[in-house]
Amino acid sequence: EIVMTQSPGTLSVSPGDRVTLSCWASQSVSGNLAWYQQKPGQAPRLLIYATSTRATGIPARFSGSGSGTEFTLTISSLQSEDFAFYYCQQYDGWPSYTFGQGTKLEI
Amino acid sequence: EVQLVESGGGLVQPGRSLRLSCAASGFTFHNFGMHWVRQAPGKGLEWVSAISPDGYGLGYGDSVKGRFTISRDDAKNSLFLQMNRLTDEDTAFYYCGREDEAASGYIDNWGQGTLVTVSS
Repeated sequence: EIVMTQSPGTLSVSPGDRVTLSCWASQSVSGNLAWYQQKPGQAPRLLIYATSTRATGIPARFSGSGSGTEFTLTISSLQSEDFAFYYCQQYDGWPSYTFGQGTKLEI
Repeated sequence: EVQLVESGGGLVQPGRSLRLSCAASGFTFHNFGMHWVRQAPGKGLEWVSAISPDGYGLGYGDSVKGRFTISRDDAKNSLFLQMNRLTDEDTAFYYCGREDEAASGYIDNWGQGTLVTVSS
């Protein structure tokens, strides 16, 4: 099973900040990496797929990069609605896909 | 509009079974792979299982392999998760998710979840 590790666990930030979240895979997942956002009491929402492609309706302040085993999600200028949990997921290892443990963005 | 509505959650005793359902609408169900993902209270997301559009490709997370079975009924636009030999570690919200149209493996639409509580 491919293990996904996210860092940091919690990040204290302010509106307007530029933020970078990291995600590492225990082995190469090529570009098969997605990012999801989850707010308390809500289902997750797809932000980024194929490492760097924004999902429909996702603002341009969200961007993804990386390859192989190292990936990042960048939010260029934090808005109040961006305070949430963020999860990476690899989907290269069929029949076993795995999530990272998540990063919490807090004010 | 894509809609995924889970049902079947509830309180169940350890060692017992439970069957979850997910009713899909707003898209051509038989063209899409489907997933189950769970989240224990206050914890992160855990991928549970997936099924290919034709129903023959099945995948399971290590923690549920041999106990859970995923299936689908395309005539009823429904996804199922049969959960056997439940333990308290299976307590979680269970989300149904639609895989992307290209069957890459990521989840582009999610249901709101159903809560399963395993307790005596």
